[in-house]
Amino acid sequence: QKEVEQDPGPLSVPEGAIVSLNCTYSNSAFQYFMWYRQYSRKGPELLMYTYSSGNKEDGRFTAQVDKSSKYISLFIRDSQPSDSATYLCAIPYSSASKIIFGSGTRLSIRP
Amino acid sequence: DTGVSQNPRHKITKRGQNVTFRCDPISEHNRLYWYRQTLGQGPEFLTYFQNEAQLEKSRLLSDRFSAERPKGSFSTLEIQRTEQGDSAMYLCASSLTGRGTGELFFGEGSRLTVL
Repeated sequence: QKEVEQDPGPLSVPEGAIVSLNCTYSNSAFQYFMWYRQYSRKGPELLMYTYSSGNKEDGRFTAQVDKSSKYISLFIRDSQPSDSATYLCAIPYSSASKIIFGSGTRLSIRP
Repeated sequence: DTGVSQNPRHKITKRGQNVTFRCDPISEHNRLYWYRQTLGQGPEFLTYFQNEAQLEKSRLLSDRFSAERPKGSFSTLEIQRTEQGDSAMYLCASSLTGRGTGELFFGEGSRLTVL
């Protein structure tokens, strides 16, 4: 079993739709949870991070963590064509020694 | 702050040849990471340095791979006797310990094609 599992998609939605991206993880000791965004032919960049369970909102983006079910989500409201990218969930393994990534969900927002 | 710089951006080589990639991290960052990414997959951890010390190396990393970070500045990743399965994007990232979650700042990657 992989430590971080992510639905690879691809996911295509119309502009303005609400997007839900999800990951599951196996190690209950994980504390920090991140979402990176990767545009085509670019390196990933940090979008959001959360600590422990709960929600964190940043503009149109909301990150949610449910530690009881080992489930993390990223919601995008009022999606825009510029949101088209691959979204990677990521978890620091321990003391930020390394970060392990999900396989990424490729998202396309249709104008 | 010029960001993380990687060279070359694209390398095409024949099977059996050696290749070397270079990464220049953000200047004040003390940690440097190498990841490998294949099409449709997330970045896979290879190794990381804190200053000049290589602290962790993936068990998946073949003996043909070696990385160095002399003087704790730039880093090189060398692949010896390349195989077609080595074809991938090699990503370098840097971070600063003590800064929150240890956010990684990635370069744009070096794409390797082994013919």
